[in-house]
Amino acid sequence: GENVEQHPSTLSVQEGDSAVIKCTYSDSASNYFPWYKQELGKRPQLIIDIRSNVGEKKDQRIAVTLNKTAKHFSLHITETQPEDSAVYFCAGGVTGGGNKLTFGTGTQLKVEL
Amino acid sequence: DGGITQSPKYLFRKEGQNVTLSCEQNLNHDAMYWYRQDPGQGLRLIYYSQIVNDFQKGDIAEGYSVSREKKESFPLTVTSAQKNPTAFYLCASSLGENTEAFFGQGTRLTVV
Repeated sequence: GENVEQHPSTLSVQEGDSAVIKCTYSDSASNYFPWYKQELGKRPQLIIDIRSNVGEKKDQRIAVTLNKTAKHFSLHITETQPEDSAVYFCAGGVTGGGNKLTFGTGTQLKVEL
Repeated sequence: DGGITQSPKYLFRKEGQNVTLSCEQNLNHDAMYWYRQDPGQGLRLIYYSQIVNDFQKGDIAEGYSVSREKKESFPLTVTSAQKNPTAFYLCASSLGENTEAFFGQGTRLTVV
């Protein structure tokens, strides 16, 4: 089955700096890669996703890049703000797999003032 | 107001007892999922259902059971066979394959 590894497990940045979280996946058939943000005590929420037919997707301060050859994808947050502090999860899914997402272990991002 | 609702928010269970966690959605989603969240381990899939009256085991199904008799409901039973049931349980639903999963607010189960 699919295995998704996520690094780092914790990340601390200064407000205004950029943050990068990286994930690798094992199943070359995976073609859907969402990122979820979970604030303390709240439910995970989708912030951005990418499908394997594109290499990069951007939404305001958030971007995701995908390298299918190397089987890794990354989340980039620019101009970080205190409200970006949360746990971020990457995931991988396969068309025909019933939307059975495999999640990474999460990254605790802390944006310091 | 559409959404996905889990109840209760906190649940305490004595060892050896079965307990059922509720998950209801009014988003008209076909697919529903149960995940377990433990510190440092991300979200692990317990069971999922793509359509009414059908469900499949996820990666950690042992000690759990589910039913999907109605589209809106996907209850999870934690049985006494689950060796380490204390965890945070998240239910989710999605419209279809490779689409956004909407999560409930979770149920924190503690075995006492």
